[in-house]
Amino acid sequence: DVKVTQSSRYLVKRTGEKVFLECVQDMDHENMFWYRQDPGLGLRLIYFSYDVKMKEKGDIPEGYSVSREKKERFSLILESASTNQTSMYLCASSFGRGGPQHFGDGTRLSIL
Amino acid sequence: AQSVTQLDSHVSVSEGTPVLLRCNYSSSYSPSLFWYVQHPNKGLQLLLKYTSAATLVKGINGFEAEFKKSETSFHLTKPSAHMSDAAEYFCVVSDLGTYKYIFGTGTRLKVLA
Repeated sequence: DVKVTQSSRYLVKRTGEKVFLECVQDMDHENMFWYRQDPGLGLRLIYFSYDVKMKEKGDIPEGYSVSREKKERFSLILESASTNQTSMYLCASSFGRGGPQHFGDGTRLSIL
Repeated sequence: AQSVTQLDSHVSVSEGTPVLLRCNYSSSYSPSLFWYVQHPNKGLQLLLKYTSAATLVKGINGFEAEFKKSETSFHLTKPSAHMSDAAEYFCVVSDLGTYKYIFGTGTRLKVLA
């Protein structure tokens, strides 16, 4: 079974802090994704990566950056956290184009 | 352009009765279609996938879905609901050959004892 592990289930940070969310997958998938999920807005894609050191902006990249130095790890960085970034963050990985995504359990991030 | 419409935001069924969650899609090319389930404070779990093979797709936990190209639908069904099926369900479409996934807005399933 594919396992996608997000480093924290719950995280509380302060405005202005630099925040790192980590995601690791164990199935050698080349594609990895970061989404945020908000009530009434559904899942929105922040960034995705289709190979090591490659990244593409999703629908809402503002205020975020990503890093993919190794195939199994994809990090989401909030450069200067703001209260409107309080959300559930979901990481996913997939093999090939259009293949099923496998999700982690999510990180519920609160910015105070 | 791709799009997904989940026709019901909330569905309530009694335990032991059939479940039907409706999904319509539009896609320019040959789509891949997926159903996911999300329990509270958890990630999305893949229930089943359609990728241009058999039109009737069987998934985990007794769920299945039928791809109907003429109706552009991919409805999720289960013959008999269980209390543990109470969750939110998402229909997702992706065009083969792309990295883009379009998520429906979700259907919250309530199972009454």
